[in-house]
Parts: sequence; C-alpha cells; structure tokens
Amino acid sequence: GQQVMQIPQYQHVQEGEDFTTYCNSSTTLSNIQWYKQRPGGHPVFLIQLVKSGEVKKQKRLTFQFGEAKKNSSLHITATQTTDVGTYFCSTSYGKLTFGQGTILTVHP
Amino acid sequence: NAGVTQTPKFQVLKTGQSMTLQCAQDMNHEYMSWYRQDPGMGLRLIHYSVGAGITDQGEVPNGYNVSRSTTEDFPLRLLSAAPSQTSVYFCASSAYRGGELFFGEGSRLTVL
Repeated sequence: GQQVMQIPQYQHVQEGEDFTTYCNSSTTLSNIQWYKQRPGGHPVFLIQLVKSGEVKKQKRLTFQFGEAKKNSSLHITATQTTDVGTYFCSTSYGKLTFGQGTILTVHP
Repeated sequence: NAGVTQTPKFQVLKTGQSMTLQCAQDMNHEYMSWYRQDPGMGLRLIHYSVGAGITDQGEVPNGYNVSRSTTEDFPLRLLSAAPSQTSVYFCASSAYRGGELFFGEGSRLTVL
C-alpha cells in the first residue's frame, strides 16, 4: 500500500518557538489529511489538502501540499502549551494510511 | 450527538481468551475502520468496511475478525488473544472512503 514517512519523530520546543513536521511519500498522493492527538486522547481531524501546491491556514497552523503532491508539511507559529500532542499525516489510496506521527512537547 | 462510541474503554485478557470490541456510530457513515496504536508505530489499519455487508483487510489483519451487519455497528473480534495484541484500539468512521475520519475514544487492551 501507499506509505508515508513522517519526520521528525520527536520535537521539543520552548513555548513561543516555531514547529514544523514533514510528511513524505515516494509516490504521488491523491490527498493529505492531518490529525492531532492530545496525550491520552484520540486523533482529531485538522485539515485535508487535495490540490498541488495548496496552502491552508488555521490561526497559527499552516499546511502545505507539495507541487509534486509527494510531500506535505504542518507548521505551527509561536507554539503554545496547548499545542502539545502527536501530529499525524494520512493519505487515502484504497486504504487510509497514517504516518508514524511527530510527538511535540512544548516547554513553558 | 454521540459520534463514534467504543466499548469497553479498558480490558485485561489472558492469552487465548476471546473478546469483542464494540464500535457504533450515529452519523450514518458508510466507511468504518479499526486501527491499533502502538508506541512509535503510529496508527495501523486492521480492517475496514465501506458499507453494510462489506469488509476488507488492512495492514495488520491477522488475529482479528470483523463484520458489518448494519451501517451503525462495526465490532472487532479477537478470537484467541495473544500478548502481541496488547495495544490501544481506535474505531473511526467517515462519510466516505478518504473523507474526514471521526475517531472513538479508544479501547486499551492488555493481554497477559
């Protein structure tokens, strides 16, 4: 099945610093979804990107889909302690596949 | 609106025992799926269904059975539990395959 690799696996930042996680594939993706999972919680949908080069923003979060539709990124500006959790990318190609996730910790 | 409801939230089994994890959704979603989550492994798809009466295998189907007799329910059965099945299990649904997934709160299973 289609595989997506997510990096980094862990990221520790000081509150106020920026954070970026990347999702990469060796094949062209039909779409990308991003989810956030708070510690002890369940994944919650953030956004879906479909178009080549698409950029979407949600407050301090910026999502990008690569021009070749083989990679995507999630960037958080000026992290807050409420941003802690694991961020997953996923893509659907027959079966919905998730990346391994990036665990974000924010130190106040 | 309850969304996706999973039961039980916690379960401890002995090796060889069987059990069923229940999943129900009230959003009339066609697509339902089961994932297991292990540290460092992300979410791995076990089985999925695109509608009542239709199921298919995911990435890690061995040791698990599913059925989809109604649109609302998608139970996951462990026929003979093994310690390797110790994990957190999530049920998820979406209006269509590839759509936004709505997850249940998870079921933490320990197999001794």
